[in-house]
Amino acid sequence: ETGVTQSPTHLIKTRGQQVTLRCSSQSGHNTVSWYQQALGQGPQFIFQYYREEENGRGNFPPRFSGLQFPNYSSELNVNALELDDSALYLCASSLASGQDYEQYFGPGTRLTVT
Amino acid sequence: AQSVTQLGSHVSVSEGALVLLRCNYSSSVPPYLFWYVQYPNQGLQLLLKYTSAATLVKGINGFEAEFKKSETSFHLTKPSAHMSDAAEYFCAVRLNRGNNDMRFGAGTRLTVKP
Repeated sequence: ETGVTQSPTHLIKTRGQQVTLRCSSQSGHNTVSWYQQALGQGPQFIFQYYREEENGRGNFPPRFSGLQFPNYSSELNVNALELDDSALYLCASSLASGQDYEQYFGPGTRLTVT
Repeated sequence: AQSVTQLGSHVSVSEGALVLLRCNYSSSVPPYLFWYVQYPNQGLQLLLKYTSAATLVKGINGFEAEFKKSETSFHLTKPSAHMSDAAEYFCAVRLNRGNNDMRFGAGTRLTVKP
């Protein structure tokens, strides 16, 4: 069984640019959540996709957007990058949405904005 | 608003000694609480969770946590530390039972000395 994978591992972008991060969920999982983890801090919930629909969003501006595809893989898009967007971006998948379902995290994509 | 506070950003113990990582929560409703571990360059792994059943929760790798409503605490313990326990530990509270919106603490880095 393949776990959650994310690509790329590392990425360097310039302020103002746009970036797309990718996540492949664990086999059989239809729910994907994205988190931002700044250096020295805990992860912050960005949003969640369940069966290709966004069904929860944290306190992030609209320039953070996402997609979930029919195979349940997902993308996180960030427009107009700011220096504070530098962080580790974590993707997590679960069998379904809700409290009864454990999340399985990927290793993350480290984004550096210069 | 629901939140968690981890007391101590860094804890150091000797191998074989008791591990105690502290977490206090704030919640106006019965909380769902979690402990996660993060090893270097990896995603988060669930250690254990409290979902209003038994107040003493046993997790993986010999860890356990006790939910104490009177103290609003959910401290993580392990009787005997192992070198492989060295990692970052996060306490978290689920904000929305319909999705994976969670609020994480800032983390506690555990160092285990030989």
